This record gives sequence, structure tokens and C-alpha cells, in this order.
Amino acid sequence: GAVVSQHPSRVICKSGTSVKIECRSLDFQATTMFWYRQFPKQSLMLMATSNEGSKATYEQGVEKDKFLINHASLTLSTLTVTSAHPEDSSFYICSARDPPDRGFHNEQFFGPGTRLTVL
Amino acid sequence: AQSVTQPDIHITVSEGASLELRCNYSYGATPYLFWYVQSPGQGLQLLLKYFSGDTLVQGIKGFEAEFKRSQSSFNLRKPSVHWSDAAEYFCAVGAPNTGNQFYFGTGTSLTVIP
Repeated sequence: GAVVSQHPSRVICKSGTSVKIECRSLDFQATTMFWYRQFPKQSLMLMATSNEGSKATYEQGVEKDKFLINHASLTLSTLTVTSAHPEDSSFYICSARDPPDRGFHNEQFFGPGTRLTVL
Repeated sequence: AQSVTQPDIHITVSEGASLELRCNYSYGATPYLFWYVQSPGQGLQLLLKYFSGDTLVQGIKGFEAEFKRSQSSFNLRKPSVHWSDAAEYFCAVGAPNTGNQFYFGTGTSLTVIP
């Protein structure tokens, strides 16, 4: 199997606080994980690519100092939204890419998402 | 540049009717192709995928999709829609040349009327 979990599933925080979202690959080691953001009734937008043991690669327009990504192990990547504001409220989804040696064509497996609401 | 187009933002069908959701892509080589379904407030569920081989792929919940290289399309079909199929559907292209980075279409919202 290829299961990816996210925690928490929902979080509500006050403006100005920081929030950490965890993404875990439960039954495989993922050297690469991706973080997406989805606004209501819109598609998924790739925010950054997280590589284990190295700095994340951010997409154009994504503030790396605001969205801190840490991929400290082969099964865990975290996204920290620093000094959150109401406009950061969104649905955040992570995915983990299957390593080539498992024969899944580098397929991505998606977590269930985290709903962030900033008051 | 890679891109994915889902021309239909919203589709309404009657329960029991057939369904086709369109997806066109732009990619310089043969991509990996995926269809996902998303219910409100939920994550993505993979319906089916194409990597190579038979261009007609079968998925879960009675869905199928056909890869047509000449048309750069990967349309999703279902012969008889059920009310529970109402959801948002996303087509995605995986780019093998860039480690399978995904590009998502804008999605098609499906409403099923009784």
C-alpha cells in the first residue's frame, strides 16, 4: 500500500500565531513530498517540493519565510505557516512521491488534507 | 510548458445517464495521466491512472478513461452515473521528465439530479 496521513485534519488559530501541519508516509519512505494549497472551489496549486535532507524548492510567488518546510526524515515533512493571517485560510494537501525502486512510476500519493482557518 | 485543461467547469447529469468529463493536456512527451475525485472537505481519491500500454484504462467505481495521443486527451467516462458520484473531478498530468511533478486541471464539478 501507499498511505499518506496528515495531522491535524482541521485547525483554527488566531491571527499572528504559527501553525504546523505534519505529513507522513506510513508504509513507504518518501524522499520527496509536495505541498499543495487549495482555495474553495479551485484546483490544487503546488506550493513547494520538499526533499529529505535538503532545502525545499518553492514555486514562484510562495513566500518561503512564511511557509516553512522541513523534511527531516524519509517519512515526515512539516509545513509551518508562520504569523498566520486570515488570507492564509485554506485547504493544505500534501503528497509523497513513491521512490523509483518500488515500481510505481514515481507516483504521488495524497494525504487527506488539513483545513486551516485563521481568525 | 506543461498544462492541463478541463473545459467544463460544471456538469449536470441525471442519475443513470452516461457521463464524459474532458481533459486535455500539453506536454512534450507521453505523460503520466490521472483522474482524481474530491468530495467536499475531503482529500483526493485516485480513480484511475495511465502510465503506458493499453490506452483504455479501468478505474474504481465503474469509471474508465481513454488516452488519445493524437488529441492530447484523457477523457473520463462512466456509463451510468449514481447520485453518489456528485463531486469535484480533477485531471492531473505527471511529468516523467521532471520526477513526476504534477499539474492539475481546474476541476469539473459534477451535479447529479434524481
